Amino acid sequence: EIVLTQSPATLSLSPGEKATLSCRASQSVSSYLAWYQQTPGQAPRLLIYDASTRATGTPARFSGSGSGTDFTLTISSLEPEDFAVYYCQQRSNWPRTFGQGTKVEIK
Amino acid sequence: QVQLVESGGGLVKPGGSLRLSCAAPGLTFSDYYMNWIRQTPGKGLEWLAYISTSATTIWYADSVKGRFTISRDNAKNSLYLQMNSLRAEDTAVYYCAPSEARVKYYMDVWGKGITVTVSS
Repeated sequence: EIVLTQSPATLSLSPGEKATLSCRASQSVSSYLAWYQQTPGQAPRLLIYDASTRATGTPARFSGSGSGTDFTLTISSLEPEDFAVYYCQQRSNWPRTFGQGTKVEIK
Repeated sequence: QVQLVESGGGLVKPGGSLRLSCAAPGLTFSDYYMNWIRQTPGKGLEWLAYISTSATTIWYADSVKGRFTISRDNAKNSLYLQMNSLRAEDTAVYYCAPSEARVKYYMDVWGKGITVTVSS
């Protein structure tokens, strides 16, 4: 099973600041990695897939990068609606796995 | 926009069984690979099971293999998750989601989720 480790667990930032979230895989997943956003009480929302492709409706301030085992989600300038939990997920191998999440909270 | 509706959740005793359903009205259900995912209280997401369009390929997470069974009825546009030998740690919100070709088989549409509570 591929283990995805996200860091940091919590990121405390102010609106307008840049957020950098990391996801590290225990073995290569090539570019088969997605990022999801989840707000309280809601289902996850797909933001980025194949490491760097924005899903429909994902604002341009979100960008994804990386390949192999190291991936980054960057939010260039935090908007109030971006304070949420972010998960990475791989579809390189079965079973599919998620990271444990990074909470982006208001400082 | 595709809509998914989970049902069948509730309170069940440890060792008991429950069958979840996922309806996909308005979706050409037979065209979609389907997944079950859960989220335990205050914790993260856990992918549980996958079934191909014709049910010829099925995968499970180790945590549920041998206890849970995924199935589908394309004529009824429905997905199922039979959960047996339930444990307290199976308490979670359960989601169904398709793996869609348009987003390279990631999960872009999710149901609202259904709560399962395993407690005596």
